[in-house]
Formats: sequence, structure tokens, C-alpha cells
Amino acid sequence: QVHLVQSGAEVKKPGASVKLSCKASGYTFSSYAIHWVRQAPGQSLEWVGWINVGNGKTKYSQKIQDRVSITRDTSASTSYMEMSGLTSEDTAIYYCAKIHSSGWAVFDHWGQGTLVTVSS
Amino acid sequence: DIQMTQSPSSVSASIGDRVTITCRTSQNINNFLNWYQHEPGKAPKLLIYLASNLQIGVPSRFSGSGSGTDFTLTINSLQPEDFATYFCQQIYNTPTFGQGTRVEVK
Repeated sequence: QVHLVQSGAEVKKPGASVKLSCKASGYTFSSYAIHWVRQAPGQSLEWVGWINVGNGKTKYSQKIQDRVSITRDTSASTSYMEMSGLTSEDTAIYYCAKIHSSGWAVFDHWGQGTLVTVSS
Repeated sequence: DIQMTQSPSSVSASIGDRVTITCRTSQNINNFLNWYQHEPGKAPKLLIYLASNLQIGVPSRFSGSGSGTDFTLTINSLQPEDFATYFCQQIYNTPTFGQGTRVEVK
């Protein structure tokens, strides 16, 4: 049974950085890409970026590409998303998601989400 | 980025009703559209992928149709567990999502 378990809630001050984790189980971690998506309060979902877990290649949203980094540790079956220069606009629930075999961004399993609050 | 227009933003319905949600994209995306169900505090759930393919384990009362720029999610015979928010996602290029449709109890 596939599970994606994310790290706990974070409270950060403006300008700080945050690193979230997403631990996968129940499937071959290196065979499926991981995406990160966020949802700010009252807003729709926003794609953050993704990592090809097999070769480590990444791609990010143009809006935040200068501040975000997605990595993985295949030995730990875990993906990480680090974001720097946080502002109040980064306050959101952050989700990781595993892709379905049918398409590069079809998300068949999601983590439970991590709330990141940016406040002074 | 491709813009998504999802409607309605909310719908009130009763058990047994048919509910239809539409998603329009700002350009032709062929069939690169997915539908998800999202309940508060839970992880989103994939319902339909690539416009019309039912995800394994999803009840057959859910169906998807459309291609190009206009897509539809239909829930036949609404069940109590279907009261949730539904959103579409295009994956023709950089993924973008619809604003969501909240299905509420009438």
C-alpha cells in the first residue's frame, strides 16, 4: 500500500528558509517522480515543481524557481522541498504527490500535507 | 500558463442527484486533464485521469468527458461521501489547477 508521509507543521519568520520532507513507502521509490504542490488559504492549488527521482533532475515553477529546491534521498525513500526567502505569500499547505504510470503529472497518491505559516 | 475556468464554484445537491462540473482551458490541451476530489484535512484523491479514465478503486458513478478546451466531470447518483471539493488539473504543460467546485448538501 502506497503511503507518502510528510513532516510536521512549520512556523517561520519572513526571510527564513524551510525544508519539508516526504517519506514514501509501498512502491519502488526511484521509479516514479515526485511533485510538490501548495495551497494558500482560500486559493486554488499551485504547482511548485517536480523531481525525477531516478536521475535527480528537477523543474520548478517560474514564479518561485529562484527560491525553491527539490531533492531526494533514494536510500531513505524521501523527497525534500526547501524554500528560502519566505514571505507571507508562502503561507500554505504544501503537498507532495507521486505520479501515476499514465502521465508525468497525474498524481495518484498524495501526502497528508504540511502547513507552513510565515509570520513575524 | 494555461488558464483554467472551472464552474460552478459551488453546487447544492441531494443524495441521488446527478452533478455536473465543467472545466474550460485557455488553449487546446487535447485530453491532458485530470479530476481530483478533496476533503478538508485529507489528501486529494485522483478520480479521473487523461479526461476520461477512471482511476482504480473509484466508483463508476464518477465519469469524465471532453477534449480540446472543454471538459466535464459527472457524478451520477450522488452519495453521502461525495460531498467534497472537486478540482481539475491540466498537464499539457506546466500543471495548473481549476479554482475548485464545492459540492454541498442541499
